[in-house]
Amino acid sequence: DTAVSQTPKYLVTQMGNDKSIKCEQNLGHDTMYWYKQDSKKFLKIMFSYNNKELIINETVPNRFSPKSPDKAHLNLHINSLELGDSAVYFCASSLSGPSSNEQFFGPGTRLTVL
Amino acid sequence: GENVEQHPSTLSVQEGDSAVIKCTYSDSASNYFPWYKQELGKGPQLIIDIRSNVGEKKDQRIAVTLNKTAKHFSLHITETQPEDSAVYFCAASKGAGTALIFGKGTTLSVSS
Repeated sequence: DTAVSQTPKYLVTQMGNDKSIKCEQNLGHDTMYWYKQDSKKFLKIMFSYNNKELIINETVPNRFSPKSPDKAHLNLHINSLELGDSAVYFCASSLSGPSSNEQFFGPGTRLTVL
Repeated sequence: GENVEQHPSTLSVQEGDSAVIKCTYSDSASNYFPWYKQELGKGPQLIIDIRSNVGEKKDQRIAVTLNKTAKHFSLHITETQPEDSAVYFCAASKGAGTALIFGKGTTLSVSS
């Protein structure tokens, strides 16, 4: 299946731990994103990578570090997890060409910090 | 930066009725306006989009209208069905490869 996939789907961890979320797309896209959806369902951009280069870095704590080993993968590593990091994290991908705007979203990773 | 306002936050309709969700944006440089549907436990899925050089677009029961002068765009769903029940998000962006700025979502409930 062509899609954006994320692992794990659920992640429960203690405060202070370090965790990673992985994202892969097999759509041949060159731009990938991380969005955070809070408990009120508000979706907000965190990062964007184009061809493995960081393009967007919103005001996200530096405990969050995205890493793009290649165009098809964008992982999110979070250090020293805090209660406020609990949310659903969505990976998305798109093309960056002038007529290609659609962003495809993954199924999400629900992170719960205890 | 861009700000997208979305109304209403909840909408309840009877099956077969129409539903309308409205959004306004603040940045005149935004030129792409997608609508996403999110079902429980799933990621947002694009249902329709419109670019700034078009005023209206229709796909079966779903239509979107855009008023660039007033900076607002709307989603229209006709002949609603129970399976249309979900959270709907509008968004705005400045083109390909740029971030989507989302509205706060509308929870649509269609009762049979």
